[in-house]
Amino acid sequence: GNSVTQMEGPVTLSEEAFLTINCTYTATGYPSLFWYVQYPGEGLQLLLKATKADDKGSNKGFEATYRKETTSFHLEKGSVQVSDSAVYFCALADMDTGRRALTFGSGTRLQVQP
Amino acid sequence: DAGVIQSPRHEVTEMGQEVTLRCKPISGHDYLFWYRQTMMRGLELLIYFNNNVPIDDSGMPEDRFSAKMPNASFSTLKIQPSEPRDSAVYFCASIRSLGTGYGYTFGSGTRLTVV
Repeated sequence: GNSVTQMEGPVTLSEEAFLTINCTYTATGYPSLFWYVQYPGEGLQLLLKATKADDKGSNKGFEATYRKETTSFHLEKGSVQVSDSAVYFCALADMDTGRRALTFGSGTRLQVQP
Repeated sequence: DAGVIQSPRHEVTEMGQEVTLRCKPISGHDYLFWYRQTMMRGLELLIYFNNNVPIDDSGMPEDRFSAKMPNASFSTLKIQPSEPRDSAVYFCASIRSLGTGYGYTFGSGTRLTVV
């Protein structure tokens, strides 16, 4: 079955530091990949997505590249801010098999200190 | 576009009581999903619908849980009887299968506490 593995958190960084959150996946088909962000007490917001190999998703300074050869979709940001503190979820959806439901990783908590 | 609307935002109930959670998907979206989030198990898919028809309910934990989608603009998740281990945040999400983006939009969730 499909699965997503994320690095354990929390990740604690100082403001303006470089961020990488690792994500790898297992899927039977050719999935679409997503990063969602959850701020305290809120729902999940789509941060970025990629639908095919070598696509790069980007939004608000965050980037992730769909690497089929390594089955990875690592999230990066060059300079984090305190306001980026949240929980980040990597997810996949296997559109080709018709199973539209998202499979999520366990989430990685990011804490950015001023 | 008001987004996916869930109600109530918070629910506190006593063990054994019936609980009904509600969701209004985005107009035009033909898939609707119910997820549960807990610290121990993370985000779990409970059930999803396509064009109001349940497609996969294998994530529904037991017979105490039931979900319906009587029309394209409304879905309910019911727990009867509720138990303390059902305490969690329940999210609803919707997508439109055709078109670009495969944008899954989540509601703000219902925080359920069973005492």
